[in-house]
Amino acid sequence: KQEVTQIPAALSVPEGENLVLNCSFTDSAIYNLQWFRQDPGKGLTSLLLIQSSQREQTSGRLNASLDKSSGRSTLYIAASQPGDSATYLCAVFNAGGTSYGKLTFGQGTILTVHP
Amino acid sequence: GAGVSQTPSNKVTEKGKYVELRCDPISGHTALYWYRQSLGQGPEFLIYFQGTGAADDSGLPNDRFFAVRPEGSVSTLKIQRTERGDSAVYLCASSSDWYNEQFFGPGTRLTVL
Repeated sequence: KQEVTQIPAALSVPEGENLVLNCSFTDSAIYNLQWFRQDPGKGLTSLLLIQSSQREQTSGRLNASLDKSSGRSTLYIAASQPGDSATYLCAVFNAGGTSYGKLTFGQGTILTVHP
Repeated sequence: GAGVSQTPSNKVTEKGKYVELRCDPISGHTALYWYRQSLGQGPEFLIYFQGTGAADDSGLPNDRFFAVRPEGSVSTLKIQRTERGDSAVYLCASSSDWYNEQFFGPGTRLTVL
């Protein structure tokens, strides 16, 4: 069964810092990996999707990398802003095993960027 | 364009009652997913539809939970004899095919008193 872990559970940084959120998964037979943002009381907004054949994806100040063989992904946020404050969720879509065909989520990293 | 919509946004019910939660996917998306998110946790898979059929319902916690998608578009998640432990945010997602990016709705917050 796929398990996804995110570290740290919470992170508080001053505005302007570059930061890294970590995600690890136990089953490397994934089809893709998605990073989501969730604001309090809201649904999930997709930030980046990385296919299993890709190493990284970039969107604006966000860069996500994937090392499938080691079961790791990182989300890099450059020049953080207070508006980046939210919960960030990592999810993997399995290509096989008992978790096949569904997203398995980590518990999220709660990010606070203070002015 | 319109995203995934869910109704109601909030539902408060009493223990033992029956509830229905509705999901309208993005037009043309054949795959539809239901997830449940408890406070402080990531979403957990409940059921996946491809078209009208439930391709995988392995995440439904017990037989009090049931979901339908009769015409391959709108889906309804039905919960019988609700329990306090059913309180959570129920999220719906759709994608253009089973392996593509999933787009999520705003969720329905269910509170069972």
